[in-house]
Amino acid sequence: DAKTTQPPSMDCAEGRAANLPCNHSTISGNEYVYWYRQIHSQGPQYIIHGLKNNETNEMASLIITEDRKSSTLILPHATLRDTAVYYCIVRAQNTGTASKLTFGTGTRLQVTL
Amino acid sequence: DGGITQSPKYLFRKEGQNVTLSCEQNLNHDAMYWYRQDPGQGLRLIYYSQIVNDFQKGDIAEGYSVSREKKESFPLTVTSAQKNPTAFYLCASASRSDRSSFYGYTFGSGTRLTVV
Repeated sequence: DAKTTQPPSMDCAEGRAANLPCNHSTISGNEYVYWYRQIHSQGPQYIIHGLKNNETNEMASLIITEDRKSSTLILPHATLRDTAVYYCIVRAQNTGTASKLTFGTGTRLQVTL
Repeated sequence: DGGITQSPKYLFRKEGQNVTLSCEQNLNHDAMYWYRQDPGQGLRLIYYSQIVNDFQKGDIAEGYSVSREKKESFPLTVTSAQKNPTAFYLCASASRSDRSSFYGYTFGSGTRLTVV
């Protein structure tokens, strides 16, 4: 699986958009970009994933650059409850096999009043 | 509701003792995983199992053992051979046949193990 690079920490004011970047310059054509978040002392929670098109769901938006070497997770209106560590993960979809996810150290997002 | 249950939430162990962490899922997922997390660090894979009666070592398997006798259960034993067992342990599961997404990759709430 391709390696990802994320800033160790970011701050965001409540109500503003939080834009979390991720570099994955060695991504392969069949690898997806996944985002998870982990609130303190809980298990990671799935947020969103994508291959090459931008994606949006009720939690966030995912913007993937045209060359797919980087992506940005956008939380449109951050709240205090969005304070967490956000993990960007790149992996392939293996036919018939649920392969392991490899987590880096992620970005610690602190949402402030 | 379907999900993953890890127990206990907090566990204390005396140095030199083996301890087993429980992980049960009712999601009908084929694959199950154990991760370890240290303060301020990401998750590191200990063991994983794709199907019943089969499992593979992850990146940090030394000092740990697992079994997968039932689809629903994937217990992790932390043995006395594990030099630094104090950590947060997370169990996860995923659908082996889910090719489209990892909505099926679900985590438990974790067990915090402290060696005293």
